[in-house]
Amino acid sequence: LAKTTQPISMDSYEGQEVNITCSHNNIATNDYITWYQQFPSQGPRFIIQGYKTKVTNEVASLFIPADRKSSTLSLPRVSLSDTAVYYCLVGPNNNDMRFGAGTRLTVKP
Amino acid sequence: EPEVTQTPSHQVTQMGQEVILRCVPISNHLYFYWYRQILGQKVEFLVSFYNNEISEKSEIFDDQFSVERPDGSNFTLKIRSTKLEDSAMYFCASSDLVELAKNIQYFGAGTRLSVL
Repeated sequence: LAKTTQPISMDSYEGQEVNITCSHNNIATNDYITWYQQFPSQGPRFIIQGYKTKVTNEVASLFIPADRKSSTLSLPRVSLSDTAVYYCLVGPNNNDMRFGAGTRLTVKP
Repeated sequence: EPEVTQTPSHQVTQMGQEVILRCVPISNHLYFYWYRQILGQKVEFLVSFYNNEISEKSEIFDDQFSVERPDGSNFTLKIRSTKLEDSAMYFCASSDLVELAKNIQYFGAGTRLSVL
């Protein structure tokens, strides 16, 4: 199981771009990188997934360097509603998906 | 957009009572999960279920817990004799084979269990 390391917390202001980096030095060849978002009192929500290079969707971008030992979730122009915990997971873990502590992002006005 | 639904949203029970938490996974999914999150702590895996049997379970999922798919749509978590420390948010999730290989699961909004 590839271990991930990400900052415990980050602060930002409305309108700024936020980049959250996750380290996963032991990533395996068949592992994907997946990010989830969790608002208070809600379940985690899948937001983006990638294998290499860059992936972009309507919510975020995910940058993965060639060695795949890290990944960066980029949230463009955050708003107050982006305040949440963001989790980086590496796998497939198939039947045993384990969440870490995540990164608690606080967006301030 | 299809979603995982959980009922009830909040369940209050007395210590020692049995509770059943209910989930309706996304209709074409075949892999089902329960997680819990104690207030202020991380999301913890409890159990996974496929083809009418448990695939994997964590050390938390002891003999007090059981899961069932009683019909074609529901997936339930039963706690036989609740303890104070069972108070938590319980999340159900589901996935299909393709998304599972990419670590993608879809979560419900959760059931808040309060054991008094």
